[in-house]
Amino acid sequence: DSGVTQTPKHLITATGQRVTLRCSPRSGDLSVYWYQQSLDQGLQFLIHYYNGEERAKGNILERFSAQQFPDLHSELNLSSLELGDSALYFCASSVGDIGISPLHFGNGTRLTVT
Amino acid sequence: DAKTTQPPSMDCAEGRAANLPCNHSTISGNEYVYWYRQIHSQGPQYIIHGLKNNETNEMASLIITEDRKSSTLILPHATLRDTAVYYCIVRPSISSGSARQLTFGSGTQLTVLP
Repeated sequence: DSGVTQTPKHLITATGQRVTLRCSPRSGDLSVYWYQQSLDQGLQFLIHYYNGEERAKGNILERFSAQQFPDLHSELNLSSLELGDSALYFCASSVGDIGISPLHFGNGTRLTVT
Repeated sequence: DAKTTQPPSMDCAEGRAANLPCNHSTISGNEYVYWYRQIHSQGPQYIIHGLKNNETNEMASLIITEDRKSSTLILPHATLRDTAVYYCIVRPSISSGSARQLTFGSGTQLTVLP
C-alpha cells in the first residue's frame, strides 16, 4: 500500500459528460502529480501541484483541469468527455517540490467513456 | 532529458535472480536513475533509485556502471508476484525545469516462470 488514495476506483460515463477524480496524498507529502495511462500511449504526465500551487504541466488537454486544496487532496476534472479519454488515471505524491524524493502512486481510477 | 533503452521482454525462472538491464548513455552527471514496476493495471510501484553508487533495499539492488551509461536492476530471488512491467527512468537534474515529474517509457515486461 503506497498510502496514496484515489477515488472512485471505476467510473463509467457517457460522451460529453464531466467527471471529477479525487486523490489523497500520503501523509506528509506536499506534491501531487496526475498521470494518464491509455493502451496506446503509456503513462503520460498531466500536471503537478505543490502545496496548492501548479508547478508543471505536461500533455494535459484544455478540457481537463486540476486543483490541490488546502488539506492537500487534489481533484482532476475532466469535461466534454470523449471516447478517447477512456484510460487509467493515476495520482502520485512526493514529499517535496523539486528534487529526488520518489513519487508514490495510487492504484488509479479506471475511466470508461461510452 | 536522458533517454533509456530497455529490452521489451524477459523471462526468469522462479527462485532465480532477475537481472534487468537499462541503457542510458546520454545521462548527465547529476541525473538519478529510478526503477519502478507496474503489476497489471495497478499503480506504478517505486523500487529503488541511485546516482552512481550501487544501492540495495529490501526489494532489489541497483548496479550502475562506473561511466553511468547503463544500470541493472537485480531481483535476487524472483517470485511469480514479481511478474510486471519494469520501468527504468532517468530523472532530469534539479536545475532542469522538468525535474519534478518522471517520464515513463515502455519498460520491460518481466515474466517469472514457475
